[in-house]
Amino acid sequence: EAGVAQSPRYKIIEKRQSVAFWCNPISGHATLYWYQQILGQGPKLLIQFQNNGVVDDSQLPKDRFSAERLKGVDSTLKIQPAKLEDSAVYLCASTESFTGYNEQFFGPGTRLTVL
Amino acid sequence: AQSVAQPEDQVNVAEGNPLTVKCTYSVSGNPYLFWYVQYPNRGLQFLLKYITGDNLVKGSYGFEAEFNKSQTSFHLKKPSALVSDSALYFCAVRGSSGTYKYIFGTGTRLKVLA
Repeated sequence: EAGVAQSPRYKIIEKRQSVAFWCNPISGHATLYWYQQILGQGPKLLIQFQNNGVVDDSQLPKDRFSAERLKGVDSTLKIQPAKLEDSAVYLCASTESFTGYNEQFFGPGTRLTVL
Repeated sequence: AQSVAQPEDQVNVAEGNPLTVKCTYSVSGNPYLFWYVQYPNRGLQFLLKYITGDNLVKGSYGFEAEFNKSQTSFHLKKPSALVSDSALYFCAVRGSSGTYKYIFGTGTRLKVLA
């Protein structure tokens, strides 16, 4: 089966610019996650979707970050405006269900550099 | 609140020797525990998980992990390390209620020396 797809793989922008990342989860996976991974740290959950509804966005900086999963399949994460501290790898992951014991499947990530 | 600790930033081991990567956790209720591996410029890959049952769980690439409830630990082990095992390893815990959020540790870099 196809894995989790993400694009772009790399992005370099100036601070105060905007950027968007795209994720397509594994077919049939109801739950989708966006993580931020800063160099030397573990992934930090930004937002979790169940189908097209938000389950948890408690760590999403809502003044600058937004995310949507309109049809319950693919998702976009946007940063506007970007700050230097947003430089990180943005990982998308999916699982079959919300409450199950399933492991997460991760995409390759998007490496964002903010100059 | 849930938390995961990986006390070692880096573990060095000689090829052929056994390896252990440590993980301790804190969660209310029953823990669901996971290990993932990350190779350079790649996303995380699932290695193994503990949900219930036998305390020793076996996973991919010859890895295994031992769940110890009294010590709240879930250490990753392999009897004989390979150079190709060199990577970044993450322990994660998932709550069994609420948002079922995954919490990841800070990662341990494993270096296997030839």
